Amino acid sequence: KNQVEQSPQSLIILEGKNCTLQCNYTVSPFSNLRWYKQDTGRGPVSLTIMTFSENTKSNGRYTATLDADTKQSSLHITASQLSDSASYICVVSPLRGSQGNLIFGKGTKLSVKP
Amino acid sequence: SAVISQKPSRDICQRGTSLTIQCQVDSQVTMMFWYRQQPGQSLTLIATANQGSEATYESGFVIDKFPISRPNLTFSTLTVSNMSPEDSSIYLCSGGESGGYEQYFGPGTRLTVT
Repeated sequence: KNQVEQSPQSLIILEGKNCTLQCNYTVSPFSNLRWYKQDTGRGPVSLTIMTFSENTKSNGRYTATLDADTKQSSLHITASQLSDSASYICVVSPLRGSQGNLIFGKGTKLSVKP
Repeated sequence: SAVISQKPSRDICQRGTSLTIQCQVDSQVTMMFWYRQQPGQSLTLIATANQGSEATYESGFVIDKFPISRPNLTFSTLTVSNMSPEDSSIYLCSGGESGGYEQYFGPGTRLTVT
C-alpha cells in the first residue's frame, strides 16, 4: 500500500533556530515528491517539488533533500521565523494513476516561539 | 500561479441535508480536483472534475453521494448529499495544468454535520 509517514507529528522551536522534518514513503514507482506548507485555515502551498532524479531543492530558507534509494526525504528550515508556524506536508506523486491522486502525509505541525 | 477561492468557508448542516461547495479559479486551468481531509487524517482525493463531462471518482467515492459539476475551465462545484456526521471534514479543491507538477489549493470548506 502506498504510504507517506512524517515525523515528528509536532515540533516546537525557538525563533531563529533551525529544524529538520522527516518523510518516509513506500510509493513506488514515483514521479515526484513535494513539500507543502499549510497555514491554519488555508490550503497547502507548494514549497519544493523534486523529481525522482533530484537530490536537493531549495526555496529561500527551505531546503528539501531526497534519497530515492532509502525512500526518505527531509525538509530543513533555516533561521526560523514566527511565520514559519504551520503544518508541513510531504506529498508523493505515484508514477501511474491520475494526476490528482497524490499520496499525502499527515503533516508535521511546527510552532515557532519568540 | 493560480489563486483559488471556495465558498462557503465553513458551514454547520443537519443530517440528511445537502451542501454545495463552490470553487473559483482566477485563471483557466486544465485540471481541477476535489479532496477531503478528515480530522487528524491526510488529504484524500475524491474525484477529478472534468470540464463538460462526468467527474472521475476515486475508489470509495460515488457520484450519487458527491455529485460534481465543472461547466468551464475556472469553476467547479462539489455537492455533499444526504449528509451524516461522518461527512464532517474539510473539503478542498485544487487546480493545475495537465501533466504539470504545480497544483494550487483553495483554502478549504470546513463542514460540520450534526
